[in-house]
Order: sequence, then structure tokens, then C-alpha cells
Amino acid sequence: DVVMTQTPVSLPVSLGGQASISCRSSQSLVHSNGNTYLHWYLQKPGQSPQLLIYRVSNRFSGVPDRFSGSGSGTDFTLKISRVEPEDLGDYYCLQSTHFPYTFGAGTKLELK
Amino acid sequence: QVQLKESGPGLVQPSQTLSLTCTVSGFSLTSYNVHWVRQPPGKGLEWMGVIWSGGNTDYNSALKPRLSISRDTSKSQVFLTMNSLQTEDTGIYYCKGYFDYWGQGVMVTVSS
Repeated sequence: DVVMTQTPVSLPVSLGGQASISCRSSQSLVHSNGNTYLHWYLQKPGQSPQLLIYRVSNRFSGVPDRFSGSGSGTDFTLKISRVEPEDLGDYYCLQSTHFPYTFGAGTKLELK
Repeated sequence: QVQLKESGPGLVQPSQTLSLTCTVSGFSLTSYNVHWVRQPPGKGLEWMGVIWSGGNTDYNSALKPRLSISRDTSKSQVFLTMNSLQTEDTGIYYCKGYFDYWGQGVMVTVSS
């Protein structure tokens, strides 16, 4: 199985500040069709996960442009600029290039 | 309006079988895939499996011996069946489909 190593585990931030979360995969996430299926989710307390970024860098419908994704191959990053209170929660990366699909262990974004 | 809603027993005895239903509205199961994802209390997300729009299925290899996903397209329902439940199967079970819409999740506790 593809192991998704997500860092840091916890990320204290100040409102209005920046945050960066890393996700590294144990093998390349480039599919045979040329696409890279690496996605980012936010799970707010007591809620279902919500998709933020799909296929590395595409913002899902309604996601503010404060969220951006980048990376390639095995190394990916989610950046959040101008952090707002509604951004706090647990962030997960997910790869859906290889079966079984696998999530990172999560990063808790919390107030400093 | 797209909705997914999980239902099933909240409590299952060890070694017994879990049966969950995901009832969808606003889209057709013959056009969109439905995935199951679970989350142990206080822990991260685990992809369990998928039933594709064409009716084929794929499973997490760790769960495959115990897991089955099926559907009734006439009722817009997807079913998850997992046998030989143990305490470590306790958690919230989510279905997700369409363009990444998630259900609210259903809490399943495995306990005698």
C-alpha cells in the first residue's frame, strides 16, 4: 500500500497568518494516464470531511483562494494564507492513484 | 439537491456482521461512484472501498476478506456489509459520492 506521510502532526497558527502542510508518498502518485490523484481535505470538529483541493492544485467549488496546493511525484504541499477561524480543524491528504486509496494521518491546525 | 445519508445499527456485538445503508438523492448510482470511508474515535480516515457507477467494486485489501459493497439502483441505496467485527471496527462510517459529497456519518460501536 502507498504510505502517505503527513507533517506536521500539529500546527499552531495565528489568525491572519500562514500555514503549510506537507504530504509525502512512498511511491509516485503519477497515474499511467498522466494525472496525479492527490487531494486535500479539511475536517472541522464534529463534521464530515470536505474537499478543498483535488488533483494537486485544483480548488474545489466554493473553496477560497487562500487555499493552494502544489507538488509533484511524491512531494506535495497545502498552503493556507490569511488563516481564518473557520480554517481550524484536521487536514488530510488522500491519494487515489493506487489501490487501496490511502489517507495521510492528519494535521491539526490550531490557534497559537 | 444532492444528499447522502448513512443508516444502520449503532451497536454490534463482536464477531457479528455489520450492515449499513447509504441512501442517496439528487444523482443516479449508475452515473456516479460511491465510496465508504471510516474513522475510529479520535483517529484518522480509512478508505474502505468503492462501488463504481457500472456496478464493479474495489476494496481495501486489508478489509477485503470481510467486506462487501452492493447496491439497489431502483432504491438509490448502497449497502456495506462487513463480517467478523471486532472492537477496532468501532468508529464513524461515511459514504461519499457525486462530486465528493459526504454523508453525515453513522457511529458504529462494537461491544458486547
